[in-house]
Amino acid sequence: EVQLLQSGGGLVQPGGSLRLSCAASGFTFTDYTLSWVRHAPGKGLEWVASISAYEGHRKYADSVKGRFTISRDNSKSTLYLQMDSLRAEDTGVYYCARDQRYCGGECLAESFQHWGQGTLVTVSA
Amino acid sequence: QMTQSPSTLSASVGDRVTITCRASQVFGGSVAWYQKKPGKAPKLLIYGASTLDSGVPSRFSGSGSGTEFALTITSLQPDDFATYFCQLYTGYEFPFGGGTEVEI
Repeated sequence: EVQLLQSGGGLVQPGGSLRLSCAASGFTFTDYTLSWVRHAPGKGLEWVASISAYEGHRKYADSVKGRFTISRDNSKSTLYLQMDSLRAEDTGVYYCARDQRYCGGECLAESFQHWGQGTLVTVSA
Repeated sequence: QMTQSPSTLSASVGDRVTITCRASQVFGGSVAWYQKKPGKAPKLLIYGASTLDSGVPSRFSGSGSGTEFALTITSLQPDDFATYFCQLYTGYEFPFGGGTEVEI
């Protein structure tokens, strides 16, 4: 069974930093592209970032470019999102997600089939 | 950008409902549809505009091409009352539509 178990998140002041983690199991980690998606309160879903199997492709939403860094540790089957210079508008539930498409190499993200349980990030003074 | 309509849809059990998404321009990529319930992660329903994800009931279907896409639910069931999102994926951008809340 595919599982994505998230940790990290919490309350942080504007300008602060947080790191989210997403530990994967139940599939070959390096066969899939992974992503982060967030859901702000009262708003829709927003794609944040994606990373290919060996980090050859990293893509970011304009709203987080230069402030967030997506990475993965294939030896630990874990995905990360380092969030710096946080703003109030970054508040929301963050989800890690695994691509639907089997890749086995360096692929760009497509649709998101498996999701973590979500973790709340609150940016407030 | 993806423009999704309607934003809210009132329906009854057994109804047929259709949600549409319009892309702002023709793109190279495809569309996915997700179901979202409060406090839960999104669930993939459709990818590649019309391919049903594994385990998704056949009452869900996707259609469309170019800039116009649709999700149809035939014979709405109690478990289907939720919010639905379309998503465009091009490999470089992954915009979601604004969502459609399907309410009783």
